[in-house]
Amino acid sequence: NAGVTQTPKFQVLKTGQSMTLQCAQDMNHNSMYWYRQDPGMGLRLIYYSASEGTTDKGEVPNGYNVSRLNKREFSLRLESAAPSQTSVYFCASSDPATGRNSPLHFGNGTRLTVT
Amino acid sequence: AQTVTQSQPEMSVQEAETVTLSCTYDTSESDYYLFWYKQPPSRQMILVIRQEAYKQQNATENRFSVNFQKAAKSFSLKISDSQLGDAAMYFCAYRGGGSNYKLTFGKGTLLTVNP
Repeated sequence: NAGVTQTPKFQVLKTGQSMTLQCAQDMNHNSMYWYRQDPGMGLRLIYYSASEGTTDKGEVPNGYNVSRLNKREFSLRLESAAPSQTSVYFCASSDPATGRNSPLHFGNGTRLTVT
Repeated sequence: AQTVTQSQPEMSVQEAETVTLSCTYDTSESDYYLFWYKQPPSRQMILVIRQEAYKQQNATENRFSVNFQKAAKSFSLKISDSQLGDAAMYFCAYRGGGSNYKLTFGKGTLLTVNP
């Protein structure tokens, strides 16, 4: 059981380039999330999708777009990368059907560097 | 918006000793859920323990236990018989009510275990 799979694991971009981070989960979870992790800042929510067909902004959405392609997949796009977007990005999923104490299941992260 | 505060950026403990990591949160909600996650150097996010606010009994998972003080809005993590493998970044997280299941994270505490 793969859980939450993120690709790529590492990426280096030049300022102004675009890219899409891919995320897929095989746990049949309804909710999916994108977080970024920066030193000393913890994890901050970028966007989330409570269910297929819906997306909402989190705490730090500027500079990002998302697509909930289907129940399994939730992608994060950087249209014009900036050095401030250098970070580790985590995708996560959860199953609300199991209750409000259901944990988030995380992928292994993507380390993105923008030069 | 809810905030989660981890006041100890770094902590250290001797192997086999006990250590307590602090977490406080700010909320006006009465129904919420609290989590501790561990992030070892591998970058993987691992659920350690969770607590429902409506439960008075503190959660325990083997060597990990919490001290949940609802009135004080405090949710500390106690690690007993510390092991080298416990060395990691620890994040406290909060989930409130509403239709989404997002977690709000603290900034983390880096735990070092000395042999």
